[in-house]
Amino acid sequence: GESVGLHLPTLSVQEGDNSIINCAYSNSASDYFIWYKQESGKGPQFIIDIRSNMDKRQGQRVTVLLNKTVKHLSLQIAATQPGDSAVYFCAEIPKGGKLIFGQGTELSVKP
Amino acid sequence: NAGVMQNPRHLVRRRGQEARLRCSPVKGHSHVYWYRQLPEEGLKFMVYLQKENIIDESGMPKERFSAEFPKEGPSILRIQQVVRGDSAAYFCASSPPGTGSYEKLFFGSGTQLSVL
Repeated sequence: GESVGLHLPTLSVQEGDNSIINCAYSNSASDYFIWYKQESGKGPQFIIDIRSNMDKRQGQRVTVLLNKTVKHLSLQIAATQPGDSAVYFCAEIPKGGKLIFGQGTELSVKP
Repeated sequence: NAGVMQNPRHLVRRRGQEARLRCSPVKGHSHVYWYRQLPEEGLKFMVYLQKENIIDESGMPKERFSAEFPKEGPSILRIQQVVRGDSAAYFCASSPPGTGSYEKLFFGSGTQLSVL
């Protein structure tokens, strides 16, 4: 399943499938990007980050891709599990600036 | 494993009252950030503090809102004469010394403020 961030804030996938959550960031001067996961009633939890001198970074079951040409960031979750259900936020930090959150995408995993 | 601790978890106030939200950062962290989140929206930056100093308050409303991070004790976000529009979840985050500003933020579970 795939979302387009601001235009499709809800993504529903089947357990075991891969998920792709997209984010269009606003500032071409941003040089650090983070994905956060927020479960209901909790604060954002750091998932993975990437700097602008990279275009891909992998973690455990998650991969972040950065395309600076079109100012696009994506989070790929492999073998999505029910525990992955949450709202996912991309965030950017412009050089010398502050952490700015995007709108968020709600991921719903169907068993 | 004490993360960022916020209290109270829920706070109910009537219009015109004062709200005081507390945040104890991760032990050893010297940077504190406050963010506000409205339902189904992203977090909006309010203020960034280090011990006894306000570094960036560009996201704070000009009136009724103030924040402090004293040498001893938790960081406090204070809202005077609350109005219904102040109802939101307020999150505190901290980051360790030696990291860039706004990087490696650890968030608390938030305080849900409801103004009646």
